[in-house]
Amino acid sequence: AQSVTQLDSQVPVFEEAPVELRCNYSSSVSVYLFWYVQYPNQGLQLLLKYLSGSTLVKGINGFEAEFNKSQTSFHLRKPSVHISDTAEYFCAVSEEGTSNTGFQKLVFGTGTRLLVSP
Amino acid sequence: ETGVTQTPRHLVMGMTNKKSLKCEQHLGHNAMYWYKQSAKKPLELMFVYNFKEQTENNSVPSRFSPECPNSSHLFLHLHTLQPEDSALYLCASSQDWGDYNEQFFGPGTRLTVL
Repeated sequence: AQSVTQLDSQVPVFEEAPVELRCNYSSSVSVYLFWYVQYPNQGLQLLLKYLSGSTLVKGINGFEAEFNKSQTSFHLRKPSVHISDTAEYFCAVSEEGTSNTGFQKLVFGTGTRLLVSP
Repeated sequence: ETGVTQTPRHLVMGMTNKKSLKCEQHLGHNAMYWYKQSAKKPLELMFVYNFKEQTENNSVPSRFSPECPNSSHLFLHLHTLQPEDSALYLCASSQDWGDYNEQFFGPGTRLTVL
């Protein structure tokens, strides 16, 4: 089974500073990788995804992530954060479901809370 | 209404109560999902429905009973819950379930079991 590790439970950063949120996954096969964001009192929203092709993936709100197969990592970066980026960020990897029907389910990490202060 | 909506947004219930959570998607999708989000734990997939048929059940206790009357509506019926069932319950939908299809999430129902 797949697993996703987000080592940092919380990352404090000042406004306009760069940030990197780390994600490592365990897999011996090809995977799809995702980053979701959850703002307070809201559901999850897809930030970006890696399915194939270029290892540098650009998403919404100025975020980008780089897929590194040799290090099994998919770290999320933003060169300059805003107060409005304060939220919980979840890394996820796809995994085949239990029903052997080809269904791909998402396996999530525990999340990283990004706290942006003025 | 747009996207995925969930009602109620907050629910407090005793262990002997019976209640239901409702999810509705306005995206024309065919697959719907229930997730449980507990503090300090990864999001857990509970159930998946594709074209109203349940395709995944990740060993969820029988005190949680899902119902999918059509592709737009999904319910989670709750009975004799335990305090450890307190969590945020998220509903999601996707166009289809094969390979990867982006999932769109609702805002969740915050459940507290006393």
